[in-house]
Formats: sequence, C-alpha cells, structure tokens
Amino acid sequence: QKEVEQDPGPLSVPEGAIVSLNCTYSNSAFQYFMWYRQYSRKGPELLMYTYSSGNKEDGRFTAQVDKSSKYISLFIRDSQPSDSATYLCALVSGGYNKLIFGAGTRLAVHP
Amino acid sequence: GAGVSQSPSNKVTEKGKDVELRCDPISGHTALYWYRQSLGQGLEFLIYFQGNSAPDKSGLPSDRFSAERTGGSVSTLTIQRTQQEDSAVYLCASTLAGTSNEQFFGPGTRLTVL
Repeated sequence: QKEVEQDPGPLSVPEGAIVSLNCTYSNSAFQYFMWYRQYSRKGPELLMYTYSSGNKEDGRFTAQVDKSSKYISLFIRDSQPSDSATYLCALVSGGYNKLIFGAGTRLAVHP
Repeated sequence: GAGVSQSPSNKVTEKGKDVELRCDPISGHTALYWYRQSLGQGLEFLIYFQGNSAPDKSGLPSDRFSAERTGGSVSTLTIQRTQQEDSAVYLCASTLAGTSNEQFFGPGTRLTVL
C-alpha cells in the first residue's frame, strides 16, 4: 500500500463547477499537508499548506484535513479553464521535510 | 535569478551513457531536494542536501545515481550507465531550512534514454 493514495483522474468539469480533489494517507505521524498545482511541462507550485485538522481558505481554494480519517481534500469553487492542471497532494515526512506525493489528479475545466 | 533553474531542459541519451543534470536553487536557500517524476511512479524523493551535505540519500534508486552540491548552491545529479527505466522528469526544489516547508520547484529536466 502506498503511503498516499490519490485518484489520478482525469477529471473533466464545466466552467463554474465546484471541484473536489482528495487524498488518503496511511501514517498518522504526518503533520503537515500541502497541495501543489502543476501545469504541463512545468514544476509543481504550492497552492495550499495546512498543519491542523479543519479548513483553510484562500480565495476560491479550500483545503480540508481530517486527521482522524487520514483524509485530505482540496475544493475549488467557481472553477476556471485556467485551473486545468494536475493537482498533487503532498505530505511532509521526517526531520528533513521531504515530500511524499500522491499520484496527482489531472483536472480539465472546459468553457 | 528569481526562481529555481535547471539545465538542460531536455536530454536524450543512449542507454549506457552517463548524464549530468544541474540545479541552481534560489539564492540563499540552504535546503535542496531532488525528485523524480515518472509515469508509473509519480513524483518521488531522491536526495536531500543541507548546505553541501546530504543527510538523506534514501530515495536514490541505485548506486548508478549520485549527487553533489558545491558552495551551498549549485547541485549536480549524475546518472551513470543510464537505463531506459531512468527516463523521467528530474525536478529540483529548494527552500530555507526551518521555515514553512514550502519547497520551490524548478521546471525539471526531461530525460529520455533510448
């Protein structure tokens, strides 16, 4: 079993839809959780970073962590074609803060 | 420069050849990471540098892979006797150690081994 499981999609939605992206993880020792966005042929860029259980909002994006269920989510409201990318969840592991990534979910938002 | 840069952006090589991939981190970033992104395996950690030291090499897949960092800045990832399964995008990331854990990624080097 992988440490982090993420449905690779692809996910196709119409513009304006609410998108829900999810990951599950197996090790309860993980404390820090991140969502990265990666456009085609680019490096990942950090979208959201959370530490505790609960919700964190930034504009159209909301990150949700449920440590009791080992489940993290990213919600995108009013999705735009420019949101079309691969979304990767990442968990910070160990004292050297290396990132353990999910497989990434490919999202396409069509006009 | 403003961000992490990597060179070359693309590298095509023949099986059995050695390759060197370069990473220029953001100025002042003491921590540097190498990751590999491949279709079958996703994005995987390879090695971590703090300054010029590599306290975590646990992700290097074989002894054909090595990396060094000089002057606390530029890092080079070397793959000897390349194999077809080494084909992937090699990503470098840097950060200020002890801060918010945000790692800033470069655009990657796409390696194709024929």
